[in-house]
Amino acid sequence: AQSVTQPDIHITVSEGASLELRCNYSYGATPYLFWYVQSPGQGLQLLQKYFSGDTLVQGIKGFEAEFKRSQSSFNLRKPSVHWSDAAEYFCAVGETGTASKLTFGTGTRLQVTL
Amino acid sequence: GAVVSQHPSWVICKSGTSVKIECRSLDFQATTMFWYRQFPKQSLMLMATSNEGSKATYEQGVEKDKFLINHASLTLSTLTVTSAHPEDSSFYICSARLSSYNSPLHFGNGTRLTVT
Repeated sequence: AQSVTQPDIHITVSEGASLELRCNYSYGATPYLFWYVQSPGQGLQLLQKYFSGDTLVQGIKGFEAEFKRSQSSFNLRKPSVHWSDAAEYFCAVGETGTASKLTFGTGTRLQVTL
Repeated sequence: GAVVSQHPSWVICKSGTSVKIECRSLDFQATTMFWYRQFPKQSLMLMATSNEGSKATYEQGVEKDKFLINHASLTLSTLTVTSAHPEDSSFYICSARLSSYNSPLHFGNGTRLTVT
């Protein structure tokens, strides 16, 4: 069965600083990987997706994510964080060959200080 | 595009009553929708897969008689929490994807259910 680990429960960064959120997955085949962001009391917004091809993918809001098969990782990065980026970030892996039936990590709460 | 609307956004009900939550795909057709449950400060747990025109597929440990799912059309799935109890209080989120096999999931804004 697939699983996702987000080692950092809570991260605090200063506005303008760089950010990296870690995600490790366990899956037997080529994974479909995603990053979602959730603001308090809201649903999830898709930030990044990876199915195949280039290992560095650009997403929305200035985020990028890098897939490293050798490390079973799909880390999310942003060069300069804005206060509006404060939210909960979830990494997820999709079921075999599909983007459905996602298994989510436990999330990383990002706090941005001014 | 790919907007998923969920209604209501929050609901309070008394123990023993039933609550219906609607999930609509506004600008696309979704043959499959997914219902997730999220406990406070925790991740999302898949409850069931809703299939248009057929029975829902429930994940292990989810009571199908308690969480009734109906997917009556290509744009609407409903989750009914029957005989609700305080332990059913949670954040329920639905999701759907475009018909393309590799399309990512799009999520609704969730429904906060509080059972008193």
